Amino acid sequence: DVKVTQSSRYLVKRTGEKVFLECVQDMDHENMFWYRQDPGLGLRLIYFSYDVKMKEKGDIPEGYSVSREKKERFSLILESASTNQTSMYLCASSKPGQGVNTEAFFGQGTRLTVV
Amino acid sequence: QKEVEQDPGPLSVPEGAIVSLNCTYSNSAFQYFMWYRQYSRKGPELLMYTYSSGNKEDGRFTAQVDKSSKYISLFIRDSQPSDSATYLCAMRTLGSARQLTFGSGTQLTVLP
Repeated sequence: DVKVTQSSRYLVKRTGEKVFLECVQDMDHENMFWYRQDPGLGLRLIYFSYDVKMKEKGDIPEGYSVSREKKERFSLILESASTNQTSMYLCASSKPGQGVNTEAFFGQGTRLTVV
Repeated sequence: QKEVEQDPGPLSVPEGAIVSLNCTYSNSAFQYFMWYRQYSRKGPELLMYTYSSGNKEDGRFTAQVDKSSKYISLFIRDSQPSDSATYLCAMRTLGSARQLTFGSGTQLTVLP
């Protein structure tokens, strides 16, 4: 059974803290993504990576950074957490190329609250 | 204006009803169209996948794409309480296997 695992389901952090969200996939996928999901706004892409040590900005990268040191692991870093970063964070992975076998598989999500 | 517009609902229907979920989009370069289903407190999972225009059927689910109108639909026949979830449309261009553009999601409740 394919799996994308996010390290935490729920997190509460204080404003100004550095926050690490971890994601691991066991499908040997090249592509990995971080999204945030907010009511009425859907899923918005923060960063993605198509190879180890490679990263590209998505639509809303401000206030975030990422790290991909190994193929299976993609980390999202909030350098200095702020209350407007309170959200559901979703990690996904996929194979490159075209076609249905490149579908994105999602983790369970991390609900982050910044107080 | 968002690239992909989706009616957020919420939508509440009785068991057995036919459900129609819709998205409109503005980018004519979108070629791949998907519907994801997201149960409460879970990540989205792929439900239907369509390339270019036309219909695709899978059991009680039918996906339709009308590229001329920039409009996609998901129909659910004989809806069941287990269909209660948020449905997200997603699409991408031919050359961008990495990035999906999502609608905001429609929350559906099927009442027993």
